[in-house]
Amino acid sequence: NAGVTQTPKFRVLKTGQSMTLLCAQDMNHEYMYWYRQDPGMGLRLIHYSVGEGTTAKGEVPDGYNVSRLKKQNFLLGLESAAPSQTSVYFCASSFRGQGTNGYTFGSGTRLTVV
Amino acid sequence: GQQLNQSPQSMFIQEGEDVSMNCTSSSIFNTWLWYKQEPGEGPVLLIALYKAGELTSNGRLTAQFGITRKDSFLNISASIPSDVGIYFCAVLNYGGSQGNLIFGKGTKLSVKP
Repeated sequence: NAGVTQTPKFRVLKTGQSMTLLCAQDMNHEYMYWYRQDPGMGLRLIHYSVGEGTTAKGEVPDGYNVSRLKKQNFLLGLESAAPSQTSVYFCASSFRGQGTNGYTFGSGTRLTVV
Repeated sequence: GQQLNQSPQSMFIQEGEDVSMNCTSSSIFNTWLWYKQEPGEGPVLLIALYKAGELTSNGRLTAQFGITRKDSFLNISASIPSDVGIYFCAVLNYGGSQGNLIFGKGTKLSVKP
């Protein structure tokens, strides 16, 4: 029972480099989310998707892009990394209409931009 | 944007003590959730509250959904070292995406054996 799997777990980037974070879920969830967690800031929503082929902006979308080509995968891209994007990134998923039961989170990707 | 005010920010307690933390909002929400995040892991749902005034327990944890629907508290009784972590409150925000959760900034709990 994998649940939500995030890769990679750790990454160090130089300013201006690009990378893609992968999130995969095996629970057949319709909804998927990307959050970032910074000290003292809690979890803030970057982008989300309510189904395959659809994406939408969250609270802090600038500097990020996402794609949901397959239901089970949700990719988060950084085109030109900046030090302000140093953070821990969490992916989550849920069934449609079952947000009241909370989300299933991955274990996070710790990204450092130098 | 909408914000949840969670307090205290951090707590340092002795094993065996009881813990209380709360979360308030200026807006009404109909679903309140409490999560725990252990070091190096993602948040895990502890308790979900769906009805104003509801009091729900999960082992040594008890949470209440405020009657005004603008607040909630979480109590942990007889704390143990494995209670260490960050506790987040969250509310379901129907104004944004369907099923979008808004999180508080967390209460970091440290337990001294």
